[in-house]
Amino acid sequence: SQQGEEDPQALSIQEGENATMNCSYKTSINNLQWYRQNSGRGLVHLILIRSNEREKHSGRLRVTLDTSKKSSSLLITASRAADTASYFCATDGTGGGNKLTFGTGTQLKVEL
Amino acid sequence: DTEVTQTPKHLVMGMTNKKSLKCEQHMGHRAMYWYKQKAKKPPELMFVYSYEKLSINESVPSRFSPECPNSSLLNLHLHALQPEDSALYLCASSYSKSRTTKNIQYFGAGTRLSVL
Repeated sequence: SQQGEEDPQALSIQEGENATMNCSYKTSINNLQWYRQNSGRGLVHLILIRSNEREKHSGRLRVTLDTSKKSSSLLITASRAADTASYFCATDGTGGGNKLTFGTGTQLKVEL
Repeated sequence: DTEVTQTPKHLVMGMTNKKSLKCEQHMGHRAMYWYKQKAKKPPELMFVYSYEKLSINESVPSRFSPECPNSSLLNLHLHALQPEDSALYLCASSYSKSRTTKNIQYFGAGTRLSVL
């Protein structure tokens, strides 16, 4: 399978704490994206980092990318209960076509 | 308008029924996707249409039949499904991949399908 792996599978933290989730992938990429999915809903794009970038910020989100290790991390700072969701990384490979390869996902629970 | 609209939201069907899932977007995207998602799993790609032509079929059983009537609409026709086909079916759209566009996908809220 070309699917990426994410860890942890599940993460439970208190509101105000930071949450870090990691993604590893297998093939060469153009970019890596992170998506969020609230329970039983569609996915929402959060942030994209290109293969020639090492770090990117968007609001409370910080993404890093290490192409030598084929890994990425997503940090959510000062988490809120509303951040409770599943988070998926997705890689856009260098091959042709419009296919994204999704990681296995991290289920984040932020408790009050 | 950055919405992808899927209908119906919920669908219950028997194994002998024929039904269709519908997806619509008005963002000018020329790539559209069908995904299947089981609980606590990532979305699994089923089909990709690029410029209204089927470009990827991930070895999906023939009981699932996609159709792209025009650049805004995507259908998934269902026939003789099995109980294991029960899942959340997600539609997505994006600009078609090129040197200058990134493959950021916009998802609908999904159709929750139960096959009895």
